[in-house]
Amino acid sequence: EDQVTQSPEALRLQEGESSSLNCSYTVSGLRGLFWYRQDPGKGPEFLFTLYSAGEEKEKERLKATLTKKESFLHITAPKPEDSATYLCAVPSRDDKIIFGKGTRLHILP
Amino acid sequence: NAGVMQNPRHLVRRRGQEARLRCSPMKGHSHVYWYRQLPEEGLKFMVYLQKENIIDESGMPKERFSAEFPKEGPSILRIQQVVRGDSAAYFCASSARWGADTQYFGPGTRLTVL
Repeated sequence: EDQVTQSPEALRLQEGESSSLNCSYTVSGLRGLFWYRQDPGKGPEFLFTLYSAGEEKEKERLKATLTKKESFLHITAPKPEDSATYLCAVPSRDDKIIFGKGTRLHILP
Repeated sequence: NAGVMQNPRHLVRRRGQEARLRCSPMKGHSHVYWYRQLPEEGLKFMVYLQKENIIDESGMPKERFSAEFPKEGPSILRIQQVVRGDSAAYFCASSARWGADTQYFGPGTRLTVL
């Protein structure tokens, strides 16, 4: 069964404390991996799409990387406004997008 | 703003009433998806539509739920005879192509069933 697992479920960091969020998947023949940010009470906001192992993309303090088994979302020197739930998603074999449950990130000032 | 639009943002219904949720896709997008999100759970696929066609409704309950995307106007997700378990956030997304294409989400409709 195609699955997406994100870890940790929740992460509390001090402002400026860098860390990484993990997304592992079991879909064979990966055709893309998506990262989204979701704030409370809002819809997911698109961040990145990665298509092949070794690919990296950056946006401000975020950098997403991809291997054959997992993706990492690295956050460098985070600020309180980076607090949100970060969602990872992949297309399944029948082209439905499968979402992980997300990592709730809380940055303390 | 050419983003995905959803309305209403909040909807309160009593058990047994009908709920209608509307979604206008991003400009230039012809693929619409509906998802349901429960607290502490991930987004769950419900249905995929193109104009005038339901392509995949495998994630939608067979009873009480229906969806449409008419030639003119927004996509509608309809829930008949709502029950408390239908309370959730419902999100619509759109994409330019089917498959492994980036989906852009609307702000969601939060349905509360009393």
